[in-house]
Amino acid sequence: GAVVSQHPSWVICKSGTSVKIECRSLDFQATTMFWYRQFPKQSLMLMATSNEGSKATYEQGVEKDKFLINHASLTLSTLTVTSAHPEDSSFYICSAIILHKAGAWNTEAFFGQGTRLTVV
Amino acid sequence: GDSVTQMEGPVTLSEEAFLTINCTYTATGYPSLFWYVQYPGEGLQLLLKATKADDKGSNKGFEATYRKETTSFHLEKGSVQVSDSAVYFCALMDSNYQLIWGAGTKLIIKP
Repeated sequence: GAVVSQHPSWVICKSGTSVKIECRSLDFQATTMFWYRQFPKQSLMLMATSNEGSKATYEQGVEKDKFLINHASLTLSTLTVTSAHPEDSSFYICSAIILHKAGAWNTEAFFGQGTRLTVV
Repeated sequence: GDSVTQMEGPVTLSEEAFLTINCTYTATGYPSLFWYVQYPGEGLQLLLKATKADDKGSNKGFEATYRKETTSFHLEKGSVQVSDSAVYFCALMDSNYQLIWGAGTKLIIKP
């Protein structure tokens, strides 16, 4: 199946610094990628939808100036957590969708392995 | 808006027991439905999916049937193993291709 590679898998940074997380679709072109955040013992929370070549669409309550998303190509989307604080510590996951036709259109989402961010 | 509700956990079972994790949804139109699994320390993996009413998704002994009349997609397995211990997420894909998630159900299988 299709592969989405997310890097780094874990990162520790100092409060006030910025961290960039990359999400790559390795063997397919993803026009749309999603960024999620997962708090301990909770489900995924959609942060934003990232479309290649256009500005990301952020969910309500997500600070666009703090979580910068760039989808510069069909295979790469990046999430930058700017001026990180301890409350930004979380598990961040990206996913990319494939639209394919097998009779009718079908969609499937593929996920990166996630990034564990710890801000100290 | 669209939503997914799944049973709260944790669900604790003995090995070889029968498993059911309930999932119901509300949605406009006919969404695709998914079960994802997250094993300890790992990312999400697609377990199974169904794209239209009455479809049955199956994988690794798990099954779920898309029931439009009851708006449900319950996950079942006839005989669970310790290695099935994980968190299971029910989700639907809306018309914008965004995944709407349930809260997740932690499954603990004791030997």
